[in-house]
Parts: sequence; structure tokens; C-alpha cells
Amino acid sequence: EIVMTQSPATLSGSPGERATLSCRTSQSISTNLAWYQQRPGQAPRLLIYDASTRASDIPIRFSGRGSGTEFTLTISSLQSEDFAIYHCQQYNNWPLTFGQGTKVEIK
Amino acid sequence: QVTLRESGPALVKPTQTLTLTCAFSGFSLTTSGMCVSWIRQPPGKPLEWLALIDWDDDKYYSTSLETRLTISKDTSENQVVLTMTNMDPVDTATYYCARMRGSDWSVEYWGPGTLVTVSS
Repeated sequence: EIVMTQSPATLSGSPGERATLSCRTSQSISTNLAWYQQRPGQAPRLLIYDASTRASDIPIRFSGRGSGTEFTLTISSLQSEDFAIYHCQQYNNWPLTFGQGTKVEIK
Repeated sequence: QVTLRESGPALVKPTQTLTLTCAFSGFSLTTSGMCVSWIRQPPGKPLEWLALIDWDDDKYYSTSLETRLTISKDTSENQVVLTMTNMDPVDTATYYCARMRGSDWSVEYWGPGTLVTVSS
């Protein structure tokens, strides 16, 4: 089973700041990685798939990059609605696995 | 418009079997590439993928839970059913039904989730 490690566990930022979240996998997954945003009390929402492709209606301030075992999600300028938990997920191998999440909170 | 909605008991007792139903619309599970998964999230904890069924009736399960899980589909009713046996308090979680993208196994659409509490 591929283990997903996200860092940091919590990221404190101010509106307008840049935020960079990391996801590392225990073995290479090419670019078979997705990022999700989860606001309190809501289901997750797909942000990025194939490591760097934005899903429908996702603002351009969200960008993803990486391949192999190292991936990042960048929010170029934090907006109030971006304070949430972010999850990464690999779909290269069975079983599908998620990271433990990074909480982006207001500083 | 794709929608999914989970239904099932909010409370189950330890050792009981949980049966959850996902009713969906806006797509057909007979279409090549279509897959539906069950994913859960204990309160304050990470997401955990449980099971997936595809258009060809292939089924995949979590390694740690596969002996307790069964996933099935009813294409005429547009439903996917998950059963989990021998429920335990650690299985308390919000259970989500989700449709994968047609070309990969990222989750494109999520149901709102249903909270299942396991307690005597």
C-alpha cells in the first residue's frame, strides 16, 4: 500500500499570501495524483488531477506540480474561502490512498 | 447534472452489519469507464477509501477491510450498495459515495455523506 505523507499538518497564512502544501508518496506514482479541498461540514471537492490539471471551475490561483514521489499544491494568493483542509490522493496503485490532510488556517 | 446521495442507518450496534445505499443520477454505471467508490472519514481524521465498483462489475476493496466489505450495483435503479459486517465503534465515520472521473480514479463527484455512529 502506498503511504501518503502531507506537510505541514497545519499552515497558518494571511489573506493574499502564497501557500505551498506538500505531498510525498512512499513509492513512485508518476503523475497519478489528485488534490481535494474540504471545507468544514462539507464533502471534499476535486481541485487538481493528474498532478497539475485543474478541475472544472477551479480558480487559477490553485496550481499543482510534481511527479514521482514529490508533489506540491500552491495557492498563489489566499482568499477567505480557501481556509480549509486539503487532501492528496494517489490513484496509481490499488488500494487508492489519501494523505492525512493539511489544514490551512487564518493567521 | 451528476448527483449522488447516501442513505442508511445513522446508528448501528457493535457486531451488526451496516448497509448503505448510494442513489445517483446524471450518469449510468453501464457506460464504459464509469466507477463509483465508497470513502469514509472518522470525525477529525483523514479520508479512507473503502471500495470501488466499475461499469464492468469489477470490484476493488481496501486491503485492511476487504474481509468485511461487499460492494454491488443495481444499474436499473441507479444504485450502489455497500455492506460492512461486524461493525465496531472505530467504524464511526461519515461515509461518502463518490463517482470517479471516467479516465482515472480521482473523485470528480461526491455525495454529501452520511454519518454512521456505532454504539451500543
